Parts: sequence; C-alpha cells; structure tokens
Amino acid sequence: KAGVTQTPRYLIKTRGQQVTLSCSPISGHRSVSWYQQTPGQGLQFLFEYFSETQRNKGNFPGRFSGRQFSNSRSEMNVSTLELGDSALYLCASSTPGQGIYGYTFGSGTRLTVV
Amino acid sequence: SQQGEEDPQALSIQEGENATMNCSYKTSINNLQWYRQNSGRGLVHLILIRSNEREKHSGRLRVTLDTSKKSSSLLITASRAADTASYFCATDLAGNQFYFGTGTSLTVIP
Repeated sequence: KAGVTQTPRYLIKTRGQQVTLSCSPISGHRSVSWYQQTPGQGLQFLFEYFSETQRNKGNFPGRFSGRQFSNSRSEMNVSTLELGDSALYLCASSTPGQGIYGYTFGSGTRLTVV
Repeated sequence: SQQGEEDPQALSIQEGENATMNCSYKTSINNLQWYRQNSGRGLVHLILIRSNEREKHSGRLRVTLDTSKKSSSLLITASRAADTASYFCATDLAGNQFYFGTGTSLTVIP
C-alpha cells in the first residue's frame, strides 16, 4: 500500500513568487491535513480537507490556501512568498474510523524562500 | 497557545538505557498521540491513548496519561541507536485538527 506522497521534495523560490505543493493521500483516505514546521514555531496546523471541503483552518494569513480534488489529492498554495515561509510543509492523511492509527504523514516538501 | 510542551527539549542516553519524555497540554482532550520524526522527514505515528485510559503499551513503548495534571509521558525501554529522533505529542481538539508539542530530541549513543 503506497504511503502519502508529497511533491516536490525540495523547492527554492524567490520572495514575492507563489508556490503550489501537492499531496497524494493513502488510497481510501479522504481527509488531508497540512502542517507547517519551522524551528521556531514547531508544527502548526494549516488546514484540513475532507471530501473536497475545507473542514478546519489554522491561524495563517490568506496567502495560504488549499484545495482537494475528487480523488482526494490535495494541493496547497502560498502566494506572495515571504522569507518566513521557509519551512518543511507536511501533509497527513487519515480516514474516518481509523483515528486510532493517527495520521499518516508524507515526507514533506522543504520550501526555501530566498 | 493550546500547543503542548515536551520536556526535556533534548535528551542524550546510552544504548540500552530507558528514555522518558513528558508532555503537558492546556485543555481537555479526547486523545493524545505520540509521533516520531527522523531528521527532516515526516512524522511516524507511534501510539494513541484515549482520555479514559491511563496507560498503554506497544512493544518497547509505554505511554501514561494523567488528565488531572494534563500531562503524558512516553517511556522507551532498552533504547537503540535507531531510536534517535525527535518525539512529539499531539492532542486533538476539534475534528481532525491536532496540536503538536514542541518536541523532545532524543540521541541514543551506541
């Protein structure tokens, strides 16, 4: 069974640009959550999608957005990049009734903004 | 912040010793989970303990939960070099949204 796949693994962008990150959840998982991890702030919740609908949203500016497709794949977009957006972006999938197994995380996308 | 805090921030032990790390949180929870993260990679789910449970075991892992003190501990027995990683606790509040602690960095010296 394939795990959670995040692409790309590494990304370097310039301030002011925008970026799109992709996440393919485990087959059958309908919930996809996104987290930002930085040394200073730790792991912070961005948003969660379930059946193409955003169910929860963390405390991030509107520059951070996401969506989920009918096949449960999810993308997150960051517009007008700032240096502080440099982080490891992690996506995690889960499915109702399987909460006892927690999230399954992807390996992350390392975004560097220069 | 409703985020949990792990203690200690860093721990260094010899192979074969036990490692204990603690997590404190601020609000009532439904369950608490522990995750491991190897350097710069995704997190791996280790164990989940529900709010009505006090102790849970999985292999060399033992987790306790004290809801009156809003704290949990993770014990890794007979540690191995491969256990070197960062360990995070995560608490659920609403839906599928989790708050992660600040993490404990464990180094196991062969």
